Amino acid sequence: DADVTQTPRNRITKTGKRIMLECSQTKGHDRMYWYRQDPGLGLRLIYYSFDVKDINKGEISDGYSVSRQAQAKFSLSLESAIPNQTALYFCATSDPRLGGYGYTFGSGTRLTVV
Amino acid sequence: AQSVTQLDSQVPVFEEAPVELRCNYSSSVSVYLFWYVQYPNQGLQLLLKYLSGSTLVKGINGFEAEFNKSQTSFHLRKPSVHISDTAEYFCAVSENWGGSNYKLTFGKGTLLTVNP
Repeated sequence: DADVTQTPRNRITKTGKRIMLECSQTKGHDRMYWYRQDPGLGLRLIYYSFDVKDINKGEISDGYSVSRQAQAKFSLSLESAIPNQTALYFCATSDPRLGGYGYTFGSGTRLTVV
Repeated sequence: AQSVTQLDSQVPVFEEAPVELRCNYSSSVSVYLFWYVQYPNQGLQLLLKYLSGSTLVKGINGFEAEFNKSQTSFHLRKPSVHISDTAEYFCAVSENWGGSNYKLTFGKGTLLTVNP
């Protein structure tokens, strides 16, 4: 099994629908992140969590919310999806014992909003 | 605040030619530097990292990068590319936020296309 698992891998949804992207990890890391990838823009940070009770907004959090259900699970929600949220979404974890370089990424969720 | 600039959005090369993908960063503190690769329809894979020590870092698949502190650059190179190196490459910088908390910032990516 992968260290960081994202579900679903692909999703098509309609404008206005609520959708949840899920991320689970077996690394035992406290730190988890959600990034969004758009062509020509690289990866941008949506939300991050340093532990279950510590959740913070990233640079592009508008239109998104998150839930840290447990150390191993970090979900990203789009309350009312819009077409410009069509993107590839990555979840990641990091190991604080490795300073700033112990990141592990999931395989991504490709979301299309029509 | 840190930022990462990848100077070329697309780099087309012929097979067996050398390639350099350029990356510059700005940060007021010490950083860790990374190159990630994303093959078509796949996730991110760490290619190499610079933490400290030797400024020339070797990674997987024959890639290497050189950290130049005075020029705040971390360019990626390969002396002879293969068709299979066709992918998007992301430069990233990790900056300390305080304590053991770090922020990872990505560049916008460089699409390397290797032609036969």
